Amino acid sequence: DAKTTQPPSMDCAEGRAANLPCNHSTISGNEYVYWYRQIHSQGPQYIIHGLKNNETNEMASLIITEDRKSSTLILPHATLRDTAVYYCIVRVAGYSGAGSYQLTFGKGTKLSVIP
Amino acid sequence: GAGVSQSPSNKVTEKGKDVELRCDPISGHTALYWYRQRLGQGLEFLIYFQGNSAPDKSGLPSDRFSAERTGESVSTLTIQRTQQEDSAVYLCASSSGTGHLLQYFGPGTRLTVT
Repeated sequence: DAKTTQPPSMDCAEGRAANLPCNHSTISGNEYVYWYRQIHSQGPQYIIHGLKNNETNEMASLIITEDRKSSTLILPHATLRDTAVYYCIVRVAGYSGAGSYQLTFGKGTKLSVIP
Repeated sequence: GAGVSQSPSNKVTEKGKDVELRCDPISGHTALYWYRQRLGQGLEFLIYFQGNSAPDKSGLPSDRFSAERTGESVSTLTIQRTQQEDSAVYLCASSSGTGHLLQYFGPGTRLTVT
């Protein structure tokens, strides 16, 4: 799996866009970028994933650079409930070999949404 | 639609007692996973079910831990003779099986062994 690097923490004012970066400079052509978050005292929550095109869903947008070496998760209008640790994962999708089902997170980015 | 549910949400037990933790996955999800998360720590994989079979039990910490799944639905994680180091949040997740990375998690069971 490609290694990812995220800033340890970020602040965002309530109602503003939160832009969370992730570097994955060793990503290979068949690896997807996935984002999860974990709100305090809750289970992890899937947010979005993408391969090379930008993606948007009801929760967030994912912008992947053309060279695919970095990506940005955008929460367009952050609320206090978005305060959480956000994890960026790079993995080959569809791979069913050993360990493929084990979800592992790095340190992530602790996002604090400020009133 | 209904998500993954787990029960109980909190469990306090005395050292040496047995506990059973239950997971109800999303209907139709063939894959089910158990994880453990100690306070302030990352996810620790325990076991994975595909249907009612567990191709990988390698994450179970000791023979005091066991899990089963029936009807390709409900799963139970059993911890026998609990120890204080078993205290953690036990998380269950399910997926459609075609995408292991798209796992939907339950709220977890917080186990405290006194």
